[in-house]
Amino acid sequence: ETGVTQTPRHLVMGMTNKKSLKCEQHLGHNAMYWYKQSAKKPLELMFVYNFKEQTENNSVPSRFSPECPNSSHLFLHLHTLQPEDSALYLCASSQSTPNDEQYFGPGTRLTVT
Amino acid sequence: GQNIDQPTEMTATEGAIVQINCTYQTSGFNGLFWYQQHAGEAPTFLSYNVLDGLEEKGRFSSFLSRSKGYSYLLLKELQMKDSASYLCAVGGITSGTYKYIFGTGTRLKVLA
Repeated sequence: ETGVTQTPRHLVMGMTNKKSLKCEQHLGHNAMYWYKQSAKKPLELMFVYNFKEQTENNSVPSRFSPECPNSSHLFLHLHTLQPEDSALYLCASSQSTPNDEQYFGPGTRLTVT
Repeated sequence: GQNIDQPTEMTATEGAIVQINCTYQTSGFNGLFWYQQHAGEAPTFLSYNVLDGLEEKGRFSSFLSRSKGYSYLLLKELQMKDSASYLCAVGGITSGTYKYIFGTGTRLKVLA
């Protein structure tokens, strides 16, 4: 595997379900990010991890819970989501900060029913 | 606060030149980025400007004026595969906290 991978690519879940999104980067980067991309809206930076430490939480609701066990893996745990949370969730990584060139994964298309 | 504006859509002809503008307002500016995103795919990095002036990379060039809060992406010798969304993003750092925001993107259609 090369670059940034994400699983699953598509996810449909009910509002009472709990699910997790997974991201893995094979680039030796130290920073990883979660973004949300909704139709006709700009990419929104949700969480920033640098050397496994969370450095940013951009006012994201607590029903989204990130986890970064090491510099190569990032998870986004989802519970009691709302229909408006349906979007494309993108993971990205960079050498050390958000102001470095970021490499994006293919995304998980999430639908909340 | 931080804000980015770019046109929603543009259309150009194969072989032509197109300029996509981006204006921004931010504090603690630390660089302006352009990404390309084809429909259904992830964004890919195109360019990075932190100093004023023009950065050229093959058929793509990016310009920055920090005093005007303005950037543009110039695409030359347009090809059909250049049909995509082009995202302007601004990085900043204030009080040790990173801010990184994207514009809504400009959807470029290249016509034969």
